[in-house]
Parts: sequence; structure tokens; C-alpha cells
Amino acid sequence: DARVTQTPRHKVTEMGQEVTMRCQPILGHNTVFWYRQTMMQGLELLAYFRNRAPLDDSGMPKDRFSAEMPDATLATLKIQPSEPRDSAVYFCASGFGTSTGELFFGEGSRLTVL
Amino acid sequence: AQSVTQLGSHVSVSEGALVLLRCNYSSSVPPYLFWYVQYPNQGLQLLLKYTSAATLVKGINGFEAEFKKSETSFHLTKPSAHMSDAAEYFCAVSRSITGGGNKLTFGTGTQLKVEL
Repeated sequence: DARVTQTPRHKVTEMGQEVTMRCQPILGHNTVFWYRQTMMQGLELLAYFRNRAPLDDSGMPKDRFSAEMPDATLATLKIQPSEPRDSAVYFCASGFGTSTGELFFGEGSRLTVL
Repeated sequence: AQSVTQLGSHVSVSEGALVLLRCNYSSSVPPYLFWYVQYPNQGLQLLLKYTSAATLVKGINGFEAEFKKSETSFHLTKPSAHMSDAAEYFCAVSRSITGGGNKLTFGTGTQLKVEL
């Protein structure tokens, strides 16, 4: 049963600490997305990779957030330093990169920054 | 720019009643439209999608949606609600981006509550 795997599922940290979230996309998918979900803003696209190359990270605060794909089986989203306003659920999704193709979402990483 | 608007952040229906969740789109080109469902503490999963074939699209769990160009709408319906349908539903539109591929832009979501 192919699925997108995200770790950690839950993270509580203190302001100023570094946070790294990891995502294993479905094997064979060539696009990976990072979304952030909050009550106030809903689902926001943070970053998008195609064939491991970053194509769109316009939704990501550049001063503290970074996203990478060191290889085809791993995508990372890092926040350094973290702030309370970063508290949210972060979703990774992968797909085949076609305009009609669906995205497959992981179960999310719930981040709480105290 | 392509976008979707979901009318009604909360919808409540009785079990067995019709479910109608509204979505209107804005697009200068024929859009590809999607409905996703999110159950508590889970990621989103695809319910159905419109890709310019049939205007009436059938999805999983008895849901369907009709693409109406004249009304720029893609409303989601289910004839008879079940308790297990309680979830948040997101309408989304796909658009191409520079460099290839596409990205989904989601609506603000509609929380469906099903009451006995």
C-alpha cells in the first residue's frame, strides 16, 4: 500500500529551536509539495519540487524556512529559528506532476512552538 | 489567476439528507477541478476530479460533482448523508507553473457535520 510518510507526526519545541520535518514521497512520483494548514490561513503552499528541483517556494518565509530534496526518497522542511506563529500542521504531498493528476498527502506533522 | 471559493465554512445536515457543498471557480482557461476530503487528524484524500471529460463526475463514497461552466461552479453532492461523511471538504483548482508540472490551489474548506 503506497503512501506518503511524514515524520515526526507530532513535535513540541521551544521558540528559537531548529525543527526538521521529513517526508518520503511515493516511489515513482516526481513532484513533492509542502503545505501548511492553520485555522486562520487554511492550506498554504510553501514549496514545490519537480524531479528534486525546487520550482516554487514563493509561499515560504525565506529567512527561517528551507526546503530540500537530497534524494528522490526524501524531502525535508527545516525551520530555524522556530517561532510560535509557525505552529501548524505541515503536510507533504506527492504526485506525477501532470495537470490532471491527483496529489497524495501524508498524515501531516503537527508542530507546536512554545 | 485561477482560484476557488467555497461558500459556507460549516454545513450541517441530518443523516439521510442531501449533502450539498458549494464551490465556485475563477479561471481564464478551462480548469481542472478537484474535491478532497480530510478526516480528523489525517491528510487530504481525493474524492473526485474534473478533467474536461464528462461534466458529471462520480467519486468515492457516493459523492458526485457537476461542472457547470455557465455558473462557474463545481458543487459536491451526495443523495444521503451518513455519519461517516463528517469531515472537512476542500475544493481545489490545478494550474500549470513555470518549469513544468502543476500545483493545486485549495479553497478554505467546508466542515460537514452530520446529525442523527
